[in-house]
Amino acid sequence: GAGVSQTPSNKVTEKGKYVELRCDPISGHTALYWYRQSLGQGPEFLIYFQGTGAADDSGLPNDRFFAVRPEGSVSTLKIQRTERGDSAVYLCASSSDRGQGYTFGSGTRLTVV
Amino acid sequence: QKEVEQDPGPLSVPEGAIVSLNCTYSNSAFQYFMWYRQYSRKGPELLMYTYSSGNKEDGRFTAQVDKSSKYISLFIRDSQPSDSATYLCARGGAGANSKLTFGKGITLSVRP
Repeated sequence: GAGVSQTPSNKVTEKGKYVELRCDPISGHTALYWYRQSLGQGPEFLIYFQGTGAADDSGLPNDRFFAVRPEGSVSTLKIQRTERGDSAVYLCASSSDRGQGYTFGSGTRLTVV
Repeated sequence: QKEVEQDPGPLSVPEGAIVSLNCTYSNSAFQYFMWYRQYSRKGPELLMYTYSSGNKEDGRFTAQVDKSSKYISLFIRDSQPSDSATYLCARGGAGANSKLTFGKGITLSVRP
């Protein structure tokens, strides 16, 4: 597609529930990233995929967070047993092999009540 | 010390003013520096990308990296109300596709 697409744009869930956030990167982009942005803060790195494999998952805060990219295109960020502190905007980005910065999606605004 | 520190805001300027936005970073090993612009309820949009030191100009925008002082700057000339947004500085890692570390961002308002 023309840009990075994230769905849903908004998600409200109850504490303790499981959520999945989807990212559809720019066609042909091999690198895909997930970031989390809290109010008044810059985005914080979560995980980076090169192709199907997670090249760097050092930003995942704990084992409740997991992400997959099974076919090297669409990625899903999965959060188990959500907590109120997980409320944030989850941003996905993709880039080509040439690097030179990413293209971000508009994000999924997750609210845990 | 945070890896990327950004001047606190918010910042309000009249239309046509020259705006200077600044960041400092702590690790001199990194080579890639970026400025992103973020409108409300949108994802960050890449404005400027620089590698190593020096200046880079694109229209009304100039990005400057001073590696000796670990300083990153973005200058906006002839600022417009449409420039009103949050500006985020970021530094990259060892490779072009490595993770980015962002500053907190500064919100700019350009008054007509």
